[in-house]
Amino acid sequence: AQSVTQPDIHITVSEGASLELRCNYSYGATPYLFWYVQSPGQGLQLLLKYFSGDTLVQGIKGFEAEFKRSQSSFNLRKPSVHWSDAAEYFCAVARGGSNYKLTFGKGTLLTVNP
Amino acid sequence: AAGVIQSPRHLIKEKRETATLKCYPIPRHDTVYWYQQGPGQDPQFLISFYEKMQSDKGSIPDRFSAQQFSDYHSELNMSSLELGDSALYFCASSLGGEGRPYEQYFGPGTRLTVT
Repeated sequence: AQSVTQPDIHITVSEGASLELRCNYSYGATPYLFWYVQSPGQGLQLLLKYFSGDTLVQGIKGFEAEFKRSQSSFNLRKPSVHWSDAAEYFCAVARGGSNYKLTFGKGTLLTVNP
Repeated sequence: AAGVIQSPRHLIKEKRETATLKCYPIPRHDTVYWYQQGPGQDPQFLISFYEKMQSDKGSIPDRFSAQQFSDYHSELNMSSLELGDSALYFCASSLGGEGRPYEQYFGPGTRLTVT
């Protein structure tokens, strides 16, 4: 079964600093990869996705992610974090084919210090 | 742009009661997914529907049932509620078939509290 690992439960960065959130997946083929963001008590907002092609994908709110097949990773990055980026971030995979359900990682809580 | 609508947003029920959660997908989206997110947990897939037919099933208890109607809205029916059913229930929608079934857009969720 596919699985998603987000090694960092909680990350704290200063406003204006760069950010990288890690995500590793376990699956034989290349799955479809996603990053979602969830603010407290809110729904999940899709930040970006990777299906195929260019391994560096751009998303909303200035986020980007890079797919590295050799490392089974799909890390999320942002060059300069804003206080409004404080939230929980979930990496997710879909197996592909006719299997569309998302399997989520445990999430990384991002705290931004002023 | 129109988003996924879920109702009610909050629901309080007692043990052994029944609850019905509703989901209205983004217009033209024909696929609906239900996820359950327990406190401090990641969302877990429950069930999905494409064109009013069940397309996939996850860790959904037998006490739960769901369906998708002709207007593509979906309802999750939960019976004999247990304390452990307290969670945030998300609905997501996507455009299936030849569309982009992997791009799931989530609603704000229904927070169910069972007392």
